[in-house]
Amino acid sequence: DVKVTQSSRYLVKRTGEKVFLECVQDMDHENMFWYRQDPGLGLRLIYFSYDVKMKEKGDIPEGYSVSREKKERFSLILESASTNQTSMYLCASSVAGTVQPQHFGDGTRLSIL
Amino acid sequence: AQKVTQAQTEISVVEKEDVTLDCVYETRDTTYYLFWYKQPPSGELVFLIRRNSFDEQNEISGRYSWNFQKSTSSFNFTITASQVVDSAVYFCALSEFPEGGSEKLVFGKGTKLTVNP
Repeated sequence: DVKVTQSSRYLVKRTGEKVFLECVQDMDHENMFWYRQDPGLGLRLIYFSYDVKMKEKGDIPEGYSVSREKKERFSLILESASTNQTSMYLCASSVAGTVQPQHFGDGTRLSIL
Repeated sequence: AQKVTQAQTEISVVEKEDVTLDCVYETRDTTYYLFWYKQPPSGELVFLIRRNSFDEQNEISGRYSWNFQKSTSSFNFTITASQVVDSAVYFCALSEFPEGGSEKLVFGKGTKLTVNP
């Protein structure tokens, strides 16, 4: 079974801090994604990557950056955390090919105080 | 732009009732893919089904069934004889192929299903 592991289940940070959310997958998937999930808004794509060192902006990239130095790891970075970035963050991965199912991690519930 | 509408925000049923979750989509693509995911209280989204636009056959998997109708742009999900373990948020999603960009998924806002004993 595919395993997508997010480094923290719950995280509390302060406004202005630089925050790193880590995601690792163990199935050699080419594609990796970061979403945020907010009540009433569903899942919104922040950034995604189809290869090492490659990234593409999703629908809401402002205030975030990403890093993919290794195939199995995709990091989401909040450069200067703000309270409106309090949310549930979900990482996903999928194999290359035409729109294959994405496999999700358990999520990180991030609170910015 | 692609759009997915799940009009039912929350549904509450009693165990053993049948329940249908609606999903209506908008797309200008002739080839596209539709998905359903389940998010139980634990938080992890679980893939349920993937359907491409050329396959309009309905699908049944145990108590789950899906009705895909291109004529009405709908991809509805029915749970027969619901159980408490079916309580979750269910998301419908549609593939998107933006010009000059890479394929991605557009998710609906989800339907929260509560099955009461």
